[in-house]
Amino acid sequence: LAKTTQPISMDSYEGQEVNITCSHNNIATNDYITWYQQFPSQGPRFIIQGYKTKVTNEVASLFIPADRKSSTLSLPRVSLSDTAVYYCLVGDTYGGATNKLIFGTGTLLAVQP
Amino acid sequence: GAVVSQHPSRVICKSGTSVKIECRSLDFQATTMFWYRQFPKKSLMLMATSNEGSKATYEQGVEKDKFLINHASLTLSTLTVTSAHPEDSSFYICSARDLRENGYTFGSGTRLTVV
Repeated sequence: LAKTTQPISMDSYEGQEVNITCSHNNIATNDYITWYQQFPSQGPRFIIQGYKTKVTNEVASLFIPADRKSSTLSLPRVSLSDTAVYYCLVGDTYGGATNKLIFGTGTLLAVQP
Repeated sequence: GAVVSQHPSRVICKSGTSVKIECRSLDFQATTMFWYRQFPKKSLMLMATSNEGSKATYEQGVEKDKFLINHASLTLSTLTVTSAHPEDSSFYICSARDLRENGYTFGSGTRLTVV
């Protein structure tokens, strides 16, 4: 299973764009990159998933370079409610796959007024 | 989207007793579910993979006789913490995959406190 490395913490202010980068040098061909958000005393919540290039949904964008050894989660115009831990995970989790997910340390994003 | 219901949300028990935590996939079937444990300010640690109709697969270092997992139907997996001790106090979270969606869906977690 590919290991991921993220910054332990990041600080931002309301209204700013936040980019959290994750490195996964040993990502396998079948692995997808998925980001989750977790608030205290809650289960993680799916944010976005991608394989290569760029993926965008209503809450975030995910940028993946051609070598796929890293990825960047972009949160536009963060608010105080975006203060949470963000986890980057890689694994074969697409289509019919139900493989286990191993969590790394995550990034604690603190948004200030 | 997919919903995974976990019950109870919090439980307090005495040392030496057993506690059962339920994890249900509400609108989809899950042949595989996962159980995690999370200590304060730490990441989620995978404990075991729960397989419907067969034995669970435990991660290294997790005592299978202490953490009993039963996955008797396609929508229900249970984790029983047997002979609980204070060091078992933690946040337990389950997850499952709805194949119609990307990613995994997590339950809301169970806060176990052993006194």
